[in-house]
Amino acid sequence: GAGVSQSPSNKVTEKGKDVELRCDPISGHTALYWYRQSLGQGLEFLIYFQGNSAPDKSGLPSDRFSAERTGGSVSTLTIQRTQQEDSAVYLCASSPHRDGSEPQHFGDGTRLSIL
Amino acid sequence: AQSVAQPEDQVNVAEGNPLTVKCTYSVSGNPYLFWYVQYPNRGLQFLLKYITGDNLVKGSYGFEAEFNKSQTSFHLKKPSALVSDSALYFCAVISRRDYKLSFGAGTTVTVRA
Repeated sequence: GAGVSQSPSNKVTEKGKDVELRCDPISGHTALYWYRQSLGQGLEFLIYFQGNSAPDKSGLPSDRFSAERTGGSVSTLTIQRTQQEDSAVYLCASSPHRDGSEPQHFGDGTRLSIL
Repeated sequence: AQSVAQPEDQVNVAEGNPLTVKCTYSVSGNPYLFWYVQYPNRGLQFLLKYITGDNLVKGSYGFEAEFNKSQTSFHLKKPSALVSDSALYFCAVISRRDYKLSFGAGTTVTVRA
C-alpha cells in the first residue's frame, strides 16, 4: 500500500523566503510527526498531531516555524523568513495511534537548502 | 526526560561476521524501544521493537535485539552481516508517560566485502 509521501523531495530557496513542505500520511493514521535531520546528526522532534487534539509544538525551534494538519490528514510545515541554519532534511512520519506501541512510518523527506 | 545513547558513531565489520550496534537508554518507567535503519536519501525504516514480553526480539532482515533492563540497553545484532546492511542505524525510546519518541544520534554501519 501507499506509504508516507512528502513533497517536494528537494527545495532550494534564498535566505529570507518562506517555504512550505507537505506531508501525506498513511490513510487512517491518526498520529503525524515532523522531524528535522541535520547533516550527520540525529533526528530532532519538531511537532506532533494526534487526531483532533491540540498539536504538541514543543520542538519547534522558533516562531518562524509553524505547521497545520487539515482534516486530520495532510500536513504542511511552513518556515517563514528562512535562514541558512534551516538547511536540513525534514522528515514526516505517521502511526496508527499515539500509545507509542506501533512504529512510526517515515516519508523520504524534503531536503531543504537555503542559499 | 528520556534519552538514548549510541556510543559508536561508526561500526565496521567484514561480510559474514557478527554485527552489533549498541544502544543504552534513560527513561522513567517502562519503555518502548525501537530500531530503525536509514539508507541514503531515504526515510527511516522500522526494523524491530520491544514492547513487553521476551527480552530477545526478532525483526526484519535477520536482525534481532536484546532488551536488558538492568543495564538499560537494547543492542542490535545480526549473526552474519551483509554488504547490503551498510546504512545508518537509529535506536529510539518512547516513554509510556508522555509518548514522545527520542532518537539516538545514529551509528553508521559499514560492511566490507
